[in-house]
Amino acid sequence: DTAVSQTPKYLVTQMGNDKSIKCEQNLGHDTMYWYKQDSKKFLKIMFSYNNKELIINETVPNRFSPKSPDKAHLNLHINSLELGDSAVYFCASSQILRQGSYGYTFGSGTRLTVV
Amino acid sequence: AQTVTQSQPEMSVQEAETVTLSCTYDTSENNYYLFWYKQPPSRQMILVIRQEAYKQQNATENRFSVNFQKAAKSFSLKISDSQLGDTAMYFCALYTIQGAQKLVFGQGTRLTINP
Repeated sequence: DTAVSQTPKYLVTQMGNDKSIKCEQNLGHDTMYWYKQDSKKFLKIMFSYNNKELIINETVPNRFSPKSPDKAHLNLHINSLELGDSAVYFCASSQILRQGSYGYTFGSGTRLTVV
Repeated sequence: AQTVTQSQPEMSVQEAETVTLSCTYDTSENNYYLFWYKQPPSRQMILVIRQEAYKQQNATENRFSVNFQKAAKSFSLKISDSQLGDTAMYFCALYTIQGAQKLVFGQGTRLTINP
């Protein structure tokens, strides 16, 4: 199936640990994103990569580090996890056109719980 | 900066009724796209409908249609003949072609369809 797939779907971990979330898309899109959805359901962009190049880096703590080995993959590594990092993290992809975008395709999200 | 505002945190209607969700946005750009996304309890983000700002004609997708008022910067979603499966969070989103090139979301409206 063509899709954006992210793993794991659920992640429960203790404060201070380091964890990674992986994302892959087989849609041939050139741009990938990480969004954070907080407990109030608000979605905010964290990072954006276009053809492996970082193009958006919002005000996110340095503990969050994205990595894009190729344009089909965008991983998110989080160091020294804190309680406030608990949220749902969405990966998304899009093909950026000169005239705009047809919209983003989202993965199913990773619910991260820090205890 | 681009902003999106959804002023209705929650709405509830009976099955088969028509419901309209409100969205206003702010941008200084002329070229942009507007989207409505649906997030059911499964957490998946699903694209419902898309509108190009340069098109005067309102977009329609089956039971879903929009009322795009560019001068008023308003973009409402109308769901006709509502079904139980329409129960979800609905997010309005703005994408600008110049500048930030990121999808900015509103706070969401929780829609419940009652049997």
